[in-house]
Amino acid sequence: EAQVTQNPRYLITVTGKKLTVTCSQNMNHEYMSWYRQDPGLGLRQIYYSMNVEVTDKGDVPEGYKVSRKEKRNFPLILESPSPNQTSLYFCASRQATTGPLNYGYTFGSGTRLTVV
Amino acid sequence: TQLLEQSPQFLSIQEGENLTVYCNSSSVFSSLQWYRQEPGEGPVLLVTVVTGGEVKKLKRLTFQFGDARKDSSLHITAAQPGDTGLYLCAGAKETSGSRLTFGEGTQLTVNP
Repeated sequence: EAQVTQNPRYLITVTGKKLTVTCSQNMNHEYMSWYRQDPGLGLRQIYYSMNVEVTDKGDVPEGYKVSRKEKRNFPLILESPSPNQTSLYFCASRQATTGPLNYGYTFGSGTRLTVV
Repeated sequence: TQLLEQSPQFLSIQEGENLTVYCNSSSVFSSLQWYRQEPGEGPVLLVTVVTGGEVKKLKRLTFQFGDARKDSSLHITAAQPGDTGLYLCAGAKETSGSRLTFGEGTQLTVNP
């Protein structure tokens, strides 16, 4: 089954304790992205990657890191989490495109992170 | 400032009613997508529109892209409880590498 798999689904952690949220896709997609979803703010892009070893900042990158060493994996790293990073996080992937975007994202099921 | 404004934010209707959700922007998009999200899950793509004035139908859902490619609408005919969910529009611009910008969403509840 074509899917994006995120782990963990739920995570409660303390301020300052480094954590990694994993993301893996089995569709051979070039493009991967991380979003956070907050009430009243919608989905905001954190980082994206257009291919292996190519990553770039989205709209809200502060406090986050990513890496893309393999095509299928795109982990999100919080080196020193703070309470304002409490949110619902989604990883997504899609095929590369030229011209108008014709391909939709496939999203993971989300990771609900609470930083206390 | 939200680049894509969706209205209404919340909509609660009875089964069998029709409804329209709007997605508006002052920017021109090369393509626009609609997603539906259910509780505890990620958004799922419903449709992509790329041509100004384009209309696409998906069973009881009708999607329209504005002539100027700045706005879109989603019309649902004879809504059913299974249509309940968060409807998100998302626009992409070729000049920004086709990155998607999402609206805040419209939370639709269809009561039996």
